[in-house]
Amino acid sequence: GQNIDQPTEMTATEGAIVQINCTYQTSGFNGLFWYQQHAGEAPTFLSYNVLDGLEEKGRFSSFLSRSKGYSYLLLKELQMKDSASYLCFLYNFNKFYFGSGTKLNVKP
Amino acid sequence: DAEITQSPRHKITETGRQVTLACHQTWNHNNMFWYRQDLGHGLRLIHYSYGVQDTNKGEVSDGYSVSRSNTEDLPLTLESAASSQTSVYFCASSEGRVTTNTGELFFGEGSRLTVL
Repeated sequence: GQNIDQPTEMTATEGAIVQINCTYQTSGFNGLFWYQQHAGEAPTFLSYNVLDGLEEKGRFSSFLSRSKGYSYLLLKELQMKDSASYLCFLYNFNKFYFGSGTKLNVKP
Repeated sequence: DAEITQSPRHKITETGRQVTLACHQTWNHNNMFWYRQDLGHGLRLIHYSYGVQDTNKGEVSDGYSVSRSNTEDLPLTLESAASSQTSVYFCASSEGRVTTNTGELFFGEGSRLTVL
């Protein structure tokens, strides 16, 4: 397997910044995805990193370091609607390898 | 708009019964996947297909089967449902097999199955 690890649960305050980490152990992969999943709904695409560095999309940014086996999702200006699970997964030759997801609780 | 749909969205069945969950996509994607999602386990791959007549086992395939007779559909069958198969099932699709594509994965809305 790819041994993808994420924290199980995190709590943050509305308006704050939160960083969700994802570590993995693999020799190579095409890219790394972050998806958001609200309770009872399907996961939806947030970001995709192929190269090392930061990808920014509005309030969401994702960072990848292949040499360190590490990625993170940064959420700025947290809103209550950001309460959801965040899934990190690797894409390698048409297969997808998932972590268990991080449940983010945003409190007022 | 292209989409991926699952049916039924909710199903209650009894142990030992055969159950089929349907998945239909209009993206014209070659790749289709079935996952189950349980608390503490994330998404686990059951079966997948890279094209018509192609099917492959995933990490938790025991007790499940799939068939791919056309591009649009990948039905998942539980031959003899067991209580351990109570879960939320997600179908997903992505395009292509070449390594240069992004491989973005599109998910259906999920099917919640309860086996009593």
